[in-house]
Amino acid sequence: QKEVEQDPGPLSVPEGAIVSLNCTYSNSAFQYFMWYRQYSRKGPELLMYTYSSGNKEDGRFTAQVDKSSKYISLFIRDSQPSDSATYLCAMKGDKAAGNKLTFGGGTRVLVKP
Amino acid sequence: IAGITQAPTSQILAAGRRMTLRCTQDMRHNAMYWYRQDLGLGLRLIHYSNTAGTTGKGEVPDGYSVSRANTDDFPLTLASAVPSQTSVYFCASSALPRYSYNEQFFGPGTRLTVL
Repeated sequence: QKEVEQDPGPLSVPEGAIVSLNCTYSNSAFQYFMWYRQYSRKGPELLMYTYSSGNKEDGRFTAQVDKSSKYISLFIRDSQPSDSATYLCAMKGDKAAGNKLTFGGGTRVLVKP
Repeated sequence: IAGITQAPTSQILAAGRRMTLRCTQDMRHNAMYWYRQDLGLGLRLIHYSNTAGTTGKGEVPDGYSVSRANTDDFPLTLASAVPSQTSVYFCASSALPRYSYNEQFFGPGTRLTVL
């Protein structure tokens, strides 16, 4: 079983809808939780990161972490065709773990105009 | 500022051949990483380097080697390529975590096909 599980999709939504993405994980040592966005044939780019449990909002994007359930989510409000991409969750432990990330498999999202 | 450059963009390689993927960053980051990305498996760490002169093994290091002679360059070598090494390879860099997390910046990737 993989340490981080993510539904591969594809997830197809109409423009303006809310996109809901999530990952589950098994390693309770994970402390930092990231969401990366990857456009086709491009490298991933960081969208948001969250430390420990709680919510974080940045514009149309909201990240949620529930460490008790080992479950993280990303919500995209008022989705746009430009949000069509693959979204990867990533996680790491505390400072002693260095900067090595463990990634989920990615969810492909398609926002239709 | 270019950020991270990778070369070549894509390559088709015969099995058994030696290949070096190049990665250069101009952000003066201490740490650099090599990942491979395969469908459904996300990004998996091959090797990393926290500073020039040091390297470490990631999750899938077998069949790959790296060197870090200076801050900017971090080449990945496949000594004798096999078809299972067909993948998209991403190089990344970050400052070393002064606190507890520093963003990793990714290059555009190299698409490698081993026949």
